[in-house]
Amino acid sequence: DTGVSQDPRHKITKRGQNVTFRCDPISEHNRLYWYRQTLGQGPEFLTYFQNEAQLEKSRLLSDRFSAERPKGSFSTLEIQRTEQGDSAMYLCASGQNQETQYFGPGTRLLVL
Amino acid sequence: AQSVSQHNHHVILSEAASLELGCNYSYGGTVNLFWYVQYPGQHLQLLLKYFSGDPLVKGIKGFEAEFIKSKFSFNLRKPSVQWSDTAEYFCAVANSGTYKYIFGTGTRLKVLA
Repeated sequence: DTGVSQDPRHKITKRGQNVTFRCDPISEHNRLYWYRQTLGQGPEFLTYFQNEAQLEKSRLLSDRFSAERPKGSFSTLEIQRTEQGDSAMYLCASGQNQETQYFGPGTRLLVL
Repeated sequence: AQSVSQHNHHVILSEAASLELGCNYSYGGTVNLFWYVQYPGQHLQLLLKYFSGDPLVKGIKGFEAEFIKSKFSFNLRKPSVQWSDTAEYFCAVANSGTYKYIFGTGTRLKVLA
């Protein structure tokens, strides 16, 4: 399978703990995006990389959130001191320049 | 701020019925438009997209959509739905020249066999 992959697929954590998610994009894609989706809503943009450079962060992304894309390949999204409101599906997508974005299966986070 | 509206949140149809899902966006500039589908338990998949040219675009599985610039709309259509079309459908808009999608809230379609 040469699509976008995400790990883990599910994560249950206690409030206050840190969590980290990984996204492996389609190999030739230079753009990588993170979105968050809550129940009954469409995905909401969080942040975006072109190669290793993080070019924009949404105001949805508080200081507790950080994302990296070292070497312009895979990306990680870390949430520190999780809160119950962080419970959501975290989606990763990749694309080449401004073309179509291809989505991964998502990581479903539940904060207890 | 940009926004995308999908007016139908839940739609129930019988097999062979025709489908039209509405999508309107608010942005005055040039846009790229997309419809994605999410089947139960699966990830978002592209149905079709419009960047430029013929405003009537055809996608996979018999779906099509028409871009009407004057109405800021990009409605999705299928002449005859199948049970396997049961899924959630999302409209998305991106400024031409930018990179992030603005999604609508989605429409859950249930097709009765």
